[in-house]
Amino acid sequence: EAQVTQNPRYLITVTGKKLTVTCSQNMNHEYMSWYRQDPGLGLRQIYYSMNVEVTDKGDVPEGYKVSRKEKRNFPLILESPSPNQTSLYFCASSLRRGGTTDTQYFGPGTRLTVL
Amino acid sequence: AQSVTQLGSHVSVSEGALVLLRCNYSSSVPPYLFWYVQYPNQGLQLLLKYTTGATLVKGINGFEAEFKKSETSFHLTKPSAHMSDAAEYFCAVKRAGGGNKLTFGTGTQLKVEL
Repeated sequence: EAQVTQNPRYLITVTGKKLTVTCSQNMNHEYMSWYRQDPGLGLRQIYYSMNVEVTDKGDVPEGYKVSRKEKRNFPLILESPSPNQTSLYFCASSLRRGGTTDTQYFGPGTRLTVL
Repeated sequence: AQSVTQLGSHVSVSEGALVLLRCNYSSSVPPYLFWYVQYPNQGLQLLLKYTTGATLVKGINGFEAEFKKSETSFHLTKPSAHMSDAAEYFCAVKRAGGGNKLTFGTGTQLKVEL
């Protein structure tokens, strides 16, 4: 089944404790992206990747890192999480870099709480 | 830069009634427009999209939307609401030639009452 998977689905952590949220897609998509969803703000893009070893900042990149060492995986790294990073995170992918008409497929989300 | 405005963060309808969720966009170039639905505790699922061609777009689950350039709108409608339509709906825009970047509206929570 074609899908985007994220792990973990739920995570409670404490301020400053490094964490990684994994994202994997099995559709051989070139483009991958991370969003955070906050009430009243919709989804905002954190980072995106056009292909392996090609990543760039989105609208709200502060406090986050990403890597794209393999085409299928795009982990989101919080080196020193803070309470303002408590949010619902979504990974998404689409077929082609620059594919403006392509559909983005979303993972199930990771609910992160930073105490 | 493009942006999306969704009027009404919460909409409530009776089962069987018309669903109308509003979306207006601003874009300096022709936009590509999308509606996504998010059911509780799930990711976003594409309902429909407008890229080029026919301005009335039909999607899944009986939803449709019409691209009206003169009104800069892309409202989502469904003739008869069902309880299973209760979810959050997001309108999103891409700029033609702007690559993959999706800009989302703030979402509309649809409640369907008996």
